[in-house]
Amino acid sequence: ETGVTQTPRHLVMGMTNKKSLKCEQHLGHNAMYWYKQSAKKPLELMFVYNFKEQTENNSVPSRFSPECPNSSHLFLHLHTLQPEDSALYLCASSGGTGKKNSPLHFGNGTRLTVT
Amino acid sequence: AQTVTQSQPEMSVQEAETVTLSCTYDTSESDYYLFWYKQPPSRQMILVIRQEAYKQQNATENRFSVNFQKAAKSFSLKISDSQLGDAAMYFCAYRSASYGGSQGNLIFGKGTKLSVKP
Repeated sequence: ETGVTQTPRHLVMGMTNKKSLKCEQHLGHNAMYWYKQSAKKPLELMFVYNFKEQTENNSVPSRFSPECPNSSHLFLHLHTLQPEDSALYLCASSGGTGKKNSPLHFGNGTRLTVT
Repeated sequence: AQTVTQSQPEMSVQEAETVTLSCTYDTSESDYYLFWYKQPPSRQMILVIRQEAYKQQNATENRFSVNFQKAAKSFSLKISDSQLGDAAMYFCAYRSASYGGSQGNLIFGKGTKLSVKP
């Protein structure tokens, strides 16, 4: 049990498909994050939610749409993606964005392939 | 903007030996946090160790320790008595401590792939 659970583990989708990634945390945290991990590049922060409110959108294209219905769940809705969007998408949670020393706890990620 | 640099794309160590992974960062801030994360083939990023910039004492967690040189903006990770399970990607990360800093943004380096030889 990692504390942060992501589903699915793997996803293959066509460019015209619509799919969603799910993240759930069981740590009682108040902040949740989406990161993109591409080969040979540093992890890129995509979105931040604090107490269900989006506090950061790091210039992410609108074909990625996050949703945070409560502090324990985070979704990433995907539509009309491009092949360059293929990557590992990591979800993380922390005590809260105001708690700067609170480390992020990550899930196992969803390996996304766009064909 | 802050940056994190890991200059060693790959490292190798013999089992039971010691290895040091390098990390340097660039920032104009005086208060921040530094982290080392490990990512094994399971893909989960696991926190290895963290350091508060205002603390002069180097952090230690069992076989893992850091050499934090604030003036040099250096934050290396030392793994003692290396084990086969230590084989993974290791990421150095920076986080601002200022109130106005990016909310929760961890800035990562590109990572170092560590291999452990039996």
